[in-house]
Amino acid sequence: DQQVKQNSPSLSVQEGRISILNCDYTNSMFDYFLWYKKYPAEGPTFLISISSIKDKNEDGRFTVFLNKSAKHLSLHIVPSQPGDSAVYFCAASPPYNFNKFYFGSGTKLNVKP
Amino acid sequence: DTGVSQNPRHKITKRGQNVTFRCDPISEHNRLYWYRQTLGQGPEFLTYFQNEAQLEKSRLLSDRFSAERPKGSFSTLEIQRTEQGDSAMYLCASSLEKGEAGYTFGSGTRLTVV
Repeated sequence: DQQVKQNSPSLSVQEGRISILNCDYTNSMFDYFLWYKKYPAEGPTFLISISSIKDKNEDGRFTVFLNKSAKHLSLHIVPSQPGDSAVYFCAASPPYNFNKFYFGSGTKLNVKP
Repeated sequence: DTGVSQNPRHKITKRGQNVTFRCDPISEHNRLYWYRQTLGQGPEFLTYFQNEAQLEKSRLLSDRFSAERPKGSFSTLEIQRTEQGDSAMYLCASSLEKGEAGYTFGSGTRLTVV
C-alpha cells in the first residue's frame, strides 16, 4: 500500500526556470515530511524538511510547500541548475516517530543547460 | 568522518546462498536504519536500531532476514537462502537521537540473486 505517491516519474526543465516536484500522501497522521535528492551510484541525500505546523519552509533555492487539507506537498527549485539533475524522493513520517519514513517512488529531474 | 560506509558495493549470489552486508554508521550517530530499494521504487523501511537494540522490524523482514548491531557500532544484515525477489539495493542510514534532520544514507549494497 503506497502511502506516499509521486505520480510524475520524470520532469524536464530548462536551466534558470522553476522546477516543481509534487508529492501526495494518503495517511492524514503523517506530520513530518522530507525531500531527498539522489545521484546515480550514491545514497539519497537529505535536502529539506517541513513539519505539519508549517505550510512553507525555505532553504536557499529550495522551498517546500505543504497543503495538509489536500495531503499534498511540493518542492520548488528556483532557479534550476544542471547540477540539480537527480532523482528526488519525498518521505513522510507519523507523529513523534522519525524512525520510519515512508518514501515515494521518486521523480527524475533533468535540468537542461 | 567519511559518512556512512557500506560493504560490499555489489554482490552477486546464486539463489539459495546466504549473504551478509555490513554498514558502518557515522560514529556519533546512535540510530541506524536499514532500507531496501527495488527498481523504480523509493526506499522501504526494514528495521532500525538505537545503539545495540533493534527496536522495530518491518513485516518485509521475513524469517530469512536478520540484522545485528553488536556494541552499537557497525551493523550487519544477513539474508539466508536468498531468492530472486531479494534482488534490490540495500541502504543503510544513521542519525542522531532525533532524526528529524533527516538520515545520512550510505551508497548502498546492490544485491543480484541469479
